[in-house]
Amino acid sequence: GAGVSQSPSNKVTEKGKDVELRCDPISGHTALYWYRQSLGQGLEFLIYFQGNSAPDKSGLPSDRFSAERTGGSVSTLTIQRTQQEDSAVYLCASSPPTSGRVHEQFFGPGTRLTVL
Amino acid sequence: DQQVKQNSPSLSVQEGRISILNCDYTNSMFDYFLWYKKYPAEGPTFLISISSIKDKNEDGRFTVFLNKSAKHLSLHIVPSQPGDSAVYFCAASLNNDMRFGAGTRLTVKP
Repeated sequence: GAGVSQSPSNKVTEKGKDVELRCDPISGHTALYWYRQSLGQGLEFLIYFQGNSAPDKSGLPSDRFSAERTGGSVSTLTIQRTQQEDSAVYLCASSPPTSGRVHEQFFGPGTRLTVL
Repeated sequence: DQQVKQNSPSLSVQEGRISILNCDYTNSMFDYFLWYKKYPAEGPTFLISISSIKDKNEDGRFTVFLNKSAKHLSLHIVPSQPGDSAVYFCAASLNNDMRFGAGTRLTVKP
């Protein structure tokens, strides 16, 4: 299979709790992106991993958000002390290496996070 | 700052007619533009793209037009089919930084 997979598909949590969202990219894809889509909004860039380079964290909305990518494959997005405004669909995407320029991204189905 | 804008949240067309989805951007440095299609409960899927050195790219029923002077691109679908009903996202890329618009929900009526 393989497309990008994400887990869980749905997560309901209480305000103040920490959550971890997982992304399994397509095998061989060197680039991995996290986005979130709030209700009625476009895709908001969060963080980007490319190979072994330092990640581009410029889209993370606050220091409560962090992400790791272990072994250049699986990635985990962690949100600490969740707030209601964190409720959104969190999408992961990966891209194959294409002469150093990655354009087409393959998206996972997303994780719908609801913070009560 | 919203660098990519899709000002029409929704569009409804009759089957067989042309669908035109519009997108505007503010950063003239963007060098690649893409359209993604999203069905409910699924992630977006790549549809068609265009490099900033071109002004048109066609793939079957889908054509993307780029007007760099106006910082505007559009997606034409002709003829439109009911299966085209989805949310369409415009995206603009500079190196590895990709920005998305808010999406336009297209409904194609049979």
